[in-house]
Formats: sequence, C-alpha cells, structure tokens
Amino acid sequence: NAGVTQTPKFRILKIGQSMTLQCTQDMNHNYMYWYRQDPGMGLKLIYYSVGAGITDKGEVPNGYNVSRSTTEDFPLRLELAAPSQTSVYFCASTISVNTGELFFGEGSRLTVL
Amino acid sequence: SQELEQSPQSLIVQEGKNLTINCTSSKTLYGLYWYKQKYGEGLIFLMMLQKGGEEKSHEKITAKLDEKKQQSSLHITASQPSHAGIYLCGADRSEGGGSNYKLTFGKGTLLTVNP
Repeated sequence: NAGVTQTPKFRILKIGQSMTLQCTQDMNHNYMYWYRQDPGMGLKLIYYSVGAGITDKGEVPNGYNVSRSTTEDFPLRLELAAPSQTSVYFCASTISVNTGELFFGEGSRLTVL
Repeated sequence: SQELEQSPQSLIVQEGKNLTINCTSSKTLYGLYWYKQKYGEGLIFLMMLQKGGEEKSHEKITAKLDEKKQQSSLHITASQPSHAGIYLCGADRSEGGGSNYKLTFGKGTLLTVNP
C-alpha cells in the first residue's frame, strides 16, 4: 500500500524560482491537506481540499497555489520562491474528518537560497 | 495568535516516569486529535476525542478531553525511549458548530526519554 506519496523529498531552489510539490494518494480519500512545518512551530495549514475541484485557504496560504483536478492528486505550487518558504512540507489525506485520522506523507524538505 | 497552545514546549523524563502534556484551545472544541511525530518523519495518529469527559487509551498513552475548559491532556504511564518524539494536538477549526474540515495543529511538545 503506497498511502500518501510526496515528491520530491528534497529540493533546493533559488529565490524567484518556481516549483510544484506533488502529492498523490491511493486511498480514495476526499479530504487532502498541505502543511508546512518550521522548527518549533508545529504544523501550519497552507491549503486544503474537501474533494476534486474544491480547494480552500488555510492559515498561511500566501505565496502558494493548489489545484485538485482529481481525487488522487493535490499539487502545491510555489510561484516565486522566497527564503521564508524554506520549510518541510507535509501532505495529508483522510476519508473523513469525523475519524480525525490524517494519513501523512513523508515530507518534502525545501530550501530557498 | 496560536489557537492551540501546548505545554510544556519540551520535556525530558527518565525512563519509567509518568508525564502529562496539555493542549488548550482558544476557541470552542468540536473534536481534538493527538498525533506523534518522530524526527524527520510524518505524523502518526494516536487518538481522537469528541465528547466532553471522553477518555481514550492507546497502549500506555491516555488522553482526556475537558470540553468546558477547552482543554485536553495526554498522559504517558511508565515512559519508555520509544515514546520519545514530538506530540501534537490538532483540532477541526469549526465555526458555528459545523465542520469546515479545517484541521489545524498546535506547536507540539518535544519529549525526550532518557534510559
């Protein structure tokens, strides 16, 4: 079982570059989430989606964009990378928020220089 | 401002000791989740509490929800090195009593268990 798969695992970007963090899940989960984790700051919600075609902003959406064209995929786009976006990014999914159980990917470590 | 405050921020205990981690919400809780994260890895779900007074256990970890205080506590009995990691509480940031599926987390508590 693949679960939630994130790519790439590591990436170094230059300021102003763009990139997409990929997230795919094979569990047919409707709900998907992108979080960033900075040292000592816990997880901050960037964007989330309750189903294909539906996305909404989280706590820290500025500088990011998402799309949800299929149930399986939820890519996160950074248009103009800034050093403040250096972080570890986690994608997660769940079948139902009533269970509270999110399934997390292994994370993508992004450094912007 | 942080809607979910965890205390303490970090904790070092000797193996075999009991410990408690607290999570307090500044807003009404409609459900509270506890997760554990090992360094460099994703989060693992421990348990979810939905009703005031509810108590759940997962191996030697017990969590309780005090709805009136908008607070949850996570208690580990007879800690082991395998309990070391970051413990995070999360909540559905519902407004008006309905779920909007916006799952947010506290800053976490770093637990170190010395053998």
